[in-house]
Amino acid sequence: QKEVEQDPGPLSVPEGAIVSLNCTYSNSAFQYFMWYRQYSRKGPELLMYTYSSGNKEDGRFTAQVDKSSKYISLFIRDSQPSDSATYLCAMEAPGNQGGKLIFGQGTELSVKP
Amino acid sequence: EPEVTQTPSHQVTQMGQEVILRCVPISNHLYFYWYRQILGQKVEFLVSFYNNEISEKSEIFDDQFSVERPDGSNFTLKIRSTKLEDSAMYFCASREGSKQYFGPGTRLTVL
Repeated sequence: QKEVEQDPGPLSVPEGAIVSLNCTYSNSAFQYFMWYRQYSRKGPELLMYTYSSGNKEDGRFTAQVDKSSKYISLFIRDSQPSDSATYLCAMEAPGNQGGKLIFGQGTELSVKP
Repeated sequence: EPEVTQTPSHQVTQMGQEVILRCVPISNHLYFYWYRQILGQKVEFLVSFYNNEISEKSEIFDDQFSVERPDGSNFTLKIRSTKLEDSAMYFCASREGSKQYFGPGTRLTVL
């Protein structure tokens, strides 16, 4: 079983739709969960950061972590064409001196005007 | 807003040649990283660096790779003898707390 799994999509939605992006993971030691946005041929940009379980909201973005199910989600409300990008989930285990991040495959999102 | 910078943006090299990829992490960050992303694949961890030494490295980071912080601002990744399969985007990152901030990447093409 892969450490982090993410449906690569592509996912296409109309402008204004609510988008749900998800990742599952196998390592119960993961405590830090991140969502990055990556535009084509650019570096990953940190969008959301969550420690342990729960919800976190920032503007149109909401990150959810369900550690009991080993499942994390990113919701985008009122999606815009500028949200079209690849969304990467990433995780880090605690006590990891190096701080290595494990990434999902990335989900390609296209928001159509 | 401070950001991680990387040079060059694109490097083309012949197989067997040495390349050095350069990064300037965000000042006052203490942990530095290199990741790579082969086209169409996941972002993969290569190495982490703290207090002037490697703190962790992946299986990919073999003897052909080395990292260095030659001065107070630069962080470099050297590939001694490039292979075709080293063609990828290479990302540098620096960390504050548990948040890692990535640079724009260097696209390495090995011919």
